[in-house]
Amino acid sequence: NAGVMQNPRHLVRRRGQEARLRCSPMKGHSHVYWYRQLPEEGLKFMVYLQKENIIDESGMPKERFSAEFPKEGPSILRIQQVVRGDSAAYFCASSNAGTAQGNTIYFGEGSWLTVV
Amino acid sequence: GDSVTQMEGPVTLSEEAFLTINCTYTATGYPSLFWYVQYPGEGLQLLLKATKADDKGSNKGFEATYRKETTSFHLEKGSVQVSDSAVYFCALFGNGFQKLVFGTGTRLLVSP
Repeated sequence: NAGVMQNPRHLVRRRGQEARLRCSPMKGHSHVYWYRQLPEEGLKFMVYLQKENIIDESGMPKERFSAEFPKEGPSILRIQQVVRGDSAAYFCASSNAGTAQGNTIYFGEGSWLTVV
Repeated sequence: GDSVTQMEGPVTLSEEAFLTINCTYTATGYPSLFWYVQYPGEGLQLLLKATKADDKGSNKGFEATYRKETTSFHLEKGSVQVSDSAVYFCALFGNGFQKLVFGTGTRLLVSP
């Protein structure tokens, strides 16, 4: 049973370019979360999505960042016009339920974005 | 809002020493509590969890007990190994809150 799959694992972008990160949740999971980890820091929530819906985007920067989870295909986190401060590890996680007690969220191995 | 506070690291121990990493939380209701581990250059792996008061989560020799009276979920291991060197994150999943809230992480360094 494959876990949460993220790609690319490592991505280098020049300032001003676009970064597109993909996440395929675990089989049977319809809830996807994106987190960002800045160097030497903890994980900060960005966005929570279900199929075709954004449920909570309270952690997303207001500009340049967007996320989607289409009916078919992986979830995409898109960062437009990247800046050096966007350099971080971006983790995707999935679960089979949102708020059910005892719910467990499983993480992918992350996508490390470096902006040069 | 919900929050998690972890002891600051790094925690430096010799192999076979006893480990405690403190974690306390603030939340309404009855959150589920988790410990995740992150090895260098890797993602987060679920280490253990507890979903109600007095539950004890355990895995790979690590244990943590959900203490509602002290709002704590301290991580313990009786005898650490060099391979346990990693960053450990305490997290909660609160009632009505549809996301994990993480502590800042505690780096553990175990020397031979």
